[in-house]
Amino acid sequence: DTGVSQDPRHKITKRGQNVTFRCDPISEHNRLYWYRQTLGQGPEFLTYFQNEAQLEKSRLLSDRFSAERPKGSFSTLEIQRTEQGDSAMYLCASSADGTRLHEQYFGPGTRLTVT
Amino acid sequence: GDSVTQMEGPVTLSEEAFLTINCTYTATGYPSLFWYVQYPGEGLQLLLKATKADDKGSNKGFEATYRKETTSFHLEKGSVQVSDSAVYFCALSVRGNTGKLIFGQGTTLQVKP
Repeated sequence: DTGVSQDPRHKITKRGQNVTFRCDPISEHNRLYWYRQTLGQGPEFLTYFQNEAQLEKSRLLSDRFSAERPKGSFSTLEIQRTEQGDSAMYLCASSADGTRLHEQYFGPGTRLTVT
Repeated sequence: GDSVTQMEGPVTLSEEAFLTINCTYTATGYPSLFWYVQYPGEGLQLLLKATKADDKGSNKGFEATYRKETTSFHLEKGSVQVSDSAVYFCALSVRGNTGKLIFGQGTTLQVKP
């Protein structure tokens, strides 16, 4: 197993454009999380999936953001009509269920820059 | 709401020095507590955890004890190495079954030879 992977690693886009990020979790993990991290801050929770079901969304996730996890495997996070305030590192993590659900394995992140 | 506060960095130490990174928390109920580490160019990795009061988590020479009375989970290591240079994040688990973690702002540790 190669761990959690994210694509792309870096994305530069102009304000108003749409962007989509992909996360491939560890294959046997049925939980998948998205976090956002800005410079000098810790990760902030955005949303999570248990298998294909999206079970919680943070208030940080405006209606310009949408996340999917078809078939409970990889996940995508789309941001529509990007704003400069969306510039951040977007982190994906996965975990098993039960007593290990807080032992999250993080990907390297996608760094988004909105110009 | 739930929150985590860490000491501000950067922390700069010489090799073999003693390390303490302070972490305090505010939470409803009894969260589990974690330290994650982010080495340069890598993703966050779980370093250690403690799930109830007075538990001590340990890994790679690092230790932290869950202190309910002081709502703290300070990270310590007796003798740091250059390879310990990284950003350290304290985190707590939100009550319930979501798996959601709340992180502190991170503390950068730089160890000089």
